[in-house]
Amino acid sequence: DTEVTQTPKHLVMGMTNKKSLKCEQHMGHRAMYWYKQKAKKPPELMFVYSYEKLSINESVPSRFSPECPNSSLLNLHLHALQPEDSALYLCASSQQYPGPYSDEQYFGPGTRLTVT
Amino acid sequence: AQSVTQPDIHITVSEGASLELRCNYSYGATPYLFWYVQSPGQGLQLLLKYFSGDTLVQGIKGFEAEFKRSQSSFNLRKPSVHWSDAAEYFCAVGSTSGTYKYIFGTGTRLKVLA
Repeated sequence: DTEVTQTPKHLVMGMTNKKSLKCEQHMGHRAMYWYKQKAKKPPELMFVYSYEKLSINESVPSRFSPECPNSSLLNLHLHALQPEDSALYLCASSQQYPGPYSDEQYFGPGTRLTVT
Repeated sequence: AQSVTQPDIHITVSEGASLELRCNYSYGATPYLFWYVQSPGQGLQLLLKYFSGDTLVQGIKGFEAEFKRSQSSFNLRKPSVHWSDAAEYFCAVGSTSGTYKYIFGTGTRLKVLA
């Protein structure tokens, strides 16, 4: 199984709402990633988890809160978002610990988030 | 600093024609190199990767890429394009030492004419 799943596919939320995005993989990968992708732009790295510990936070605002409950699951908790946070949020996983050596990443289909 | 350049924002080809998408990188050593494809509203799918060894790598869907160290390039090719190849293509560079880095190029949007 080489699949990364993400739920929900679409999410519309107001600026005062709290919501969560979910990502799951069953490939035994030990690194998981959150990316943000605006239209016609490449993915921008937000967070990296390795062995269920936060390894990289690319200076993401605190209204985005990641969580890795176990090696297969990755959540992104959203609170008090702004309209400019509307984007496609992609989850990815890779086999290798993201130390000096990077590895191919497997991406989920993404969650299309709209903040109203 | 590590960077990836995809010089062509848009490319249009006719179905059945050959395709070459350009990717140039800047890195202190030989990096890990990847090509991904993204259909509209979808996630990214890995087409192929280069870590070391043979500089011509074969990927899925009939794609291949050639690593040219002297030109710092990793261009993607396909001999005959199908309409279903219309998508966004991203080149990516991964670090092989030091601080972890994984950088995507700005992408090339491929349009295929019937």
